Amino acid sequence: SAVISQKPSRDICQRGTSLTIQCQVDSQVTMMFWYRQQPGQSLTLIATANQGSEATYESGFVIDKFPISRPNLTFSTLTVSNLSPEDSSIYLCSVEDRAAPGANVLTFGAGSRLTVL
Amino acid sequence: AQRVTQPEKLLSVFKGAPVELKCNYSYSGSPELFWYVQYSRQRLQLLLRHISRESIKGFTADLNKGETSFHLKKPFAQEEDSAMYYCALSLSGGYNKLIFGAGTRLAVHP
Repeated sequence: SAVISQKPSRDICQRGTSLTIQCQVDSQVTMMFWYRQQPGQSLTLIATANQGSEATYESGFVIDKFPISRPNLTFSTLTVSNLSPEDSSIYLCSVEDRAAPGANVLTFGAGSRLTVL
Repeated sequence: AQRVTQPEKLLSVFKGAPVELKCNYSYSGSPELFWYVQYSRQRLQLLLRHISRESIKGFTADLNKGETSFHLKKPFAQEEDSAMYYCALSLSGGYNKLIFGAGTRLAVHP
């Protein structure tokens, strides 16, 4: 499986500020996926990031709130902007498992735990 | 709407007891279902998928389209099975888009 590094692993932010989360993969991948896991909740897909094009956002998520960059095939960032306490969540980066291409199996990063005060 | 339901937040059993973690889904298309697991201080990882029809770490899961279920079973639980388990649904044509259930925490006591 791909090795995914996420930074920061956790952060505490003030409301109204922004946080950028980085995701680095040890191999080139076409698509990178950003998920959110709110406290006690399930994982929800925020957006899919393709290199060279704009990210595709899921219903309920907008680019102004969650801008995504995908400058190359191994790296992506997710910014959570204008933070409010409701944004306190774990944010996870994931990619297709290269051991099972096309099988809809994902490999996940360790996650970035955000707390907004 | 597509949905995955895991009715139990916590399942607590003793070592050696049978385990069944329930998962029901709602989807009108042809589903692909998965079980992901997260052990303490580890990343979320795939446990098994229905299309493989395999047993992983003694766990099996059968897709029942009539009951729209994909329950995870193990005949004899071990302490090392203690973890958070997530059922996930992949939509046909939804390349790598997974819909997750809320998760069930399995606690296996000695």
